[in-house]
Amino acid sequence: GENVGLHLPTLSVQEGDNSIINCAYSNSASDYFIWYKQESGKGPQFIIDIRSNMDKRQGQRVTVLLNKTVKHLSLQIAATQPGDSAVYFCAENPRDSSYKLIFGSGTRLLVRP
Amino acid sequence: NAGVMQNPRHLVRRRGQEARLRCSPVKGHSHVYWYRQLPEEGLKFMVYLQKENIIDESGMPKERFSAEFPKEGPSILRIQQVVRGDSAAYFCASSPKTGGDTEAFFGQGTRLTVV
Repeated sequence: GENVGLHLPTLSVQEGDNSIINCAYSNSASDYFIWYKQESGKGPQFIIDIRSNMDKRQGQRVTVLLNKTVKHLSLQIAATQPGDSAVYFCAENPRDSSYKLIFGSGTRLLVRP
Repeated sequence: NAGVMQNPRHLVRRRGQEARLRCSPVKGHSHVYWYRQLPEEGLKFMVYLQKENIIDESGMPKERFSAEFPKEGPSILRIQQVVRGDSAAYFCASSPKTGGDTEAFFGQGTRLTVV
């Protein structure tokens, strides 16, 4: 698929380990952030979101951490499974154009069996 | 409960031809967004439409590209006189409302190849 390439940062983890994917966002005025998962040949799939008035939010096997001081977002996946292999994008939602998503460049997660 | 439907999934056009990409939003969603994705990159916003209205087309090239979301029928992204640089995946998303913390649902995309 078009997201499998030589230039995407790649994180390779052993099945069962925890994964941490990082993202730096650009706009200090953004107040809503989302992590998307994109499998080869498919559209982005919502994973988890967080508002700027929060530092941490947990879902099923996933946790998002937000550090507004350094404009950093991370996605933690617990007990990574082969089905987690995909490209992961963070996206920010600027306050002044709240309908628009600004995507980061993505990280490819490879899960070794 | 069908999600966002895009067709065709794959489209091949010769340079100079026209490409028409269709997007049917989730039933009941009146807000549609188009994004473009080049290989190994994130999605880039192109245009935001509500029924019969273009709200923001700031991400769309000024020439050759147009979008519509008629009262009846799917949203259409139209690219006239395609060039090789138009080759990309084009994704449509829809939402029931707009504003922060409104989840947008994405379709599977149309992969345009210009030969």
